[in-house]
Amino acid sequence: AQKVTQAQTEISVVEKEDVTLDCVYETRDTTYYLFWYKQPPSGELVFLIRRNSFDEQNEISGRYSWNFQKSTSSFNFTITASQVVDSAVYFCALSRESGGSYIPTFGRGTSLIVHP
Amino acid sequence: DAGITQSPRYKITETGRQVTLMCHQTWSHSYMFWYRQDLGHGLRLIYYSAAADITDKGEVPDGYVVSRSKTENFPLTLESATRSQTSVYFCASSESRGDIGETQYFGPGTRLLVL
Repeated sequence: AQKVTQAQTEISVVEKEDVTLDCVYETRDTTYYLFWYKQPPSGELVFLIRRNSFDEQNEISGRYSWNFQKSTSSFNFTITASQVVDSAVYFCALSRESGGSYIPTFGRGTSLIVHP
Repeated sequence: DAGITQSPRYKITETGRQVTLMCHQTWSHSYMFWYRQDLGHGLRLIYYSAAADITDKGEVPDGYVVSRSKTENFPLTLESATRSQTSVYFCASSESRGDIGETQYFGPGTRLLVL
């Protein structure tokens, strides 16, 4: 069975601090994808990034960066110089093949609160 | 470009009533999904569909029924609503090119309250 663990339920920081959201996953598959989604207070879910299991390169997009380490089954997300607009719930997800289809599994989410 | 829409956005119903939540996407995506979001549980998959007339159970299917007669629509029905089905429901869709890494695009959600 696959599993995604986001151990941090809630993180509170002050604006301009750096913050890392942890994501640890479990799967027996060699081929899988990992995702991060953002859910701001307005409620919609917004795609941020996806990474396949064969690509361990870290990725940076503006103030966002992602660190994928297969050795520790982790796909952590760092926000540099956080801003109030970063306040949201962030979900990590794992997608793998099952019987010709694929079923994604989401973590329980980490609520990030950025104070001015 | 409407993308993916859900209706109603808010619904209050009573225990035992039948409720149908609608989901419509304009991208002709093959895959569609229904999730429920509850505090402490994150997003849990209820049902998904790989194509028209093909549906399958997710993690928490009990008490729900789905159908997909057209590619663009994926309604979710609570045949006899219970209080435990009070939740926020999200519909999502994704393309399928045989690639398991397809990104899902989510609708705005439906807040359902069962009294």
